[in-house]
Formats: sequence, structure tokens, C-alpha cells
Amino acid sequence: EVQLVESGGGLVKPGRSLRLSCTGSGFTFGDYVMSWFRQAPGKGLEWVGFIRSKAYGGTIEYAASVKGRFTISRDDSKSIAYLQMNSLKTEDTAVYYCTPGAYFFEYWGQGTLVTVSS
Amino acid sequence: DIVMTQSPDSLTVSLGERATINCKSSQSVLHSSYNKNYLAWYQQKPGQPPKLLTYWASTRESGVPDRISGSGSGTDFTLTISSLQAEDVAVYYCQQYYSTPLTFGQGTRLEIK
Repeated sequence: EVQLVESGGGLVKPGRSLRLSCTGSGFTFGDYVMSWFRQAPGKGLEWVGFIRSKAYGGTIEYAASVKGRFTISRDDSKSIAYLQMNSLKTEDTAVYYCTPGAYFFEYWGQGTLVTVSS
Repeated sequence: DIVMTQSPDSLTVSLGERATINCKSSQSVLHSSYNKNYLAWYQQKPGQPPKLLTYWASTRESGVPDRISGSGSGTDFTLTISSLQAEDVAVYYCQQYYSTPLTFGQGTRLEIK
């Protein structure tokens, strides 16, 4: 059974940093693109970015709204994907989800809430 | 960026009746080389992550009831629930995966009359 568990969320002040983790199980983690999404309270879904598998160069793409502030990485030996979030803004407040794949997304975790507030 | 626009924003339908949600993309998401539409639909209930309903515009995900179907091509797509059930109350999103950034429609809230 595929499982995804996001962790690392919490309350953080504007301008500070936070690192989210996404632990996957039930699939061959290293074979998959790992994508991050977010959803602000009461709002729609927004793609944050993804990291390709090592077989495809491990290249990364980001949404314009986070490019230069957020960094996606992965540790395939631990089946973990990371989302390092720097220079956080109040508008980054959202539930953050990770999911395997780069096209459509069958498996989702429950997400982790990040609240950016002074 | 491909902009996805759903209509209506909200929809109220009686139990057993048909619900239709539309999604329009600002450019075609039909990949001519593969003849596939890079379009998915999701259902999201409060406090839950999205649930994949259909992909390639019309391929139903395993376990999704056959009263839910996707159709369309190019820039115009439709999600149809043929006979609304109570458990279908949710917000529905379309998503294109033709190009990055991956983008979603704004969502359509479906309620029971």
C-alpha cells in the first residue's frame, strides 16, 4: 500500500525558514518524480514544484511563486523528499502535500500545515 | 502558463440528477504526437487530500464509480456525475499536466438541493 507522510509543518514568523519532509513507502521511491503541492486555507490547489528521479537527472522545476526561495531535494536511500522553504511570507500559509508523479496524482498524504505569521 | 477556468463556481443539484462541471484551458492540452489530452479531474472533501477521479481526460481511476465520467478534448472538458449521490458533495478541480507549471482550475463546489 502506498503511503505518504508529510511532516515538519508549524508556525513560523515571516522571513524565517522551515524544512518539510515527505516519507514514502509502498513503492520504489527512487523511480518516481516527487511533487509538492499546497493549498491555502479555503483556497484551491497550487503546484509548488517537483524533483525528477535520478534516472532522469534529478532535475527540479518550481512554480514562479516559490522559485528562488524554496528548494526541493530527495534522499532515495531514506525514501524522503524535502521542501526547504526560506524567506517565508504570510502568503505561503497552506497545507503542503507531496505525491509521486509528474502528470496526474493518485496518491496523496494528509499534508502538513505551515502557518506563517508574526 | 496554461490557465484553467472552471464553470460554474458552485452547483446545486438534486439527488439522482445529473451534475455537469466544465473546464476550459487557455491553450490546447491535446498532445498531438500521442493523441492524448493531458487533463485530470479531482474530488476533494473537507479536511481530506484530493482524490483522483479521471486522467487522460476520460480514463476513470480504479474504484471511481461509473456514474462519474470525464470527456472533452483540446481546450474544453467536462466532468459529469450522472446520478448525484450524497457522497458526491465536494469541491471538484481540473488539472492540466501538458506543461509546467502544472495548473488547476479554481474549483467547483457541488452541493445537494
